[in-house]
Amino acid sequence: AAGVIQSPRHLIKEKRETATLKCYPIPRHDTVYWYQQGPGQDPQFLISFYEKMQSDKGSIPDRFSAQQFSDYHSELNMSSLELGDSALYFCASSFRGRGTEAFFGQGTRLTVV
Amino acid sequence: SQQGEEDPQALSIQEGENATMNCSYKTSINNLQWYRQNSGRGLVHLILIRSNEREKHSGRLRVTLDTSKKSSSLLITASRAADTASYFCTGGSEKLVFGKGTKLTVNP
Repeated sequence: AAGVIQSPRHLIKEKRETATLKCYPIPRHDTVYWYQQGPGQDPQFLISFYEKMQSDKGSIPDRFSAQQFSDYHSELNMSSLELGDSALYFCASSFRGRGTEAFFGQGTRLTVV
Repeated sequence: SQQGEEDPQALSIQEGENATMNCSYKTSINNLQWYRQNSGRGLVHLILIRSNEREKHSGRLRVTLDTSKKSSSLLITASRAADTASYFCTGGSEKLVFGKGTKLTVNP
């Protein structure tokens, strides 16, 4: 069965650079979530989209933005990267209309040097 | 917030023993989900229990839900070393906010 696909799996950027993370949800899922997990930390909710509209917002820095496209894939854009942005970034998708479980991708490991 | 708060934060048991983890949440939920995360890996969905259910089984997993107490428990029976991981719960469907999780260590 198709799962949530995230790309790239690993990314190394320098401070003040920009990074774009991509997420391809499970087909027919209508909701996408983004999370940030620092070393030894629990996953922090960043933002979610339902039917391509922003649904909820968590602790997402102003330097970050995200959107969901017409094909339901989503991108997380991070600008002016800081060392503290080094983390695992997860995307998850679900079919909210049916109240089903959310499935996570394998994550993108971002390292800012 | 629909954040799940897991208890205990760390649990160490021997292989073959049962492990019980608890979760409390703050607001009304439509369902509650449990996830497992191996170190540095993605979260794996374990089980979903709906608000009108009290108990659910899946293999060696047993989940209970008490909506009056806003709490849930996850029981892993006959634990294995491969069950070593962090376990998280979360409720609702809009934010899926996670707590600190329970770090389970199963010693061979």
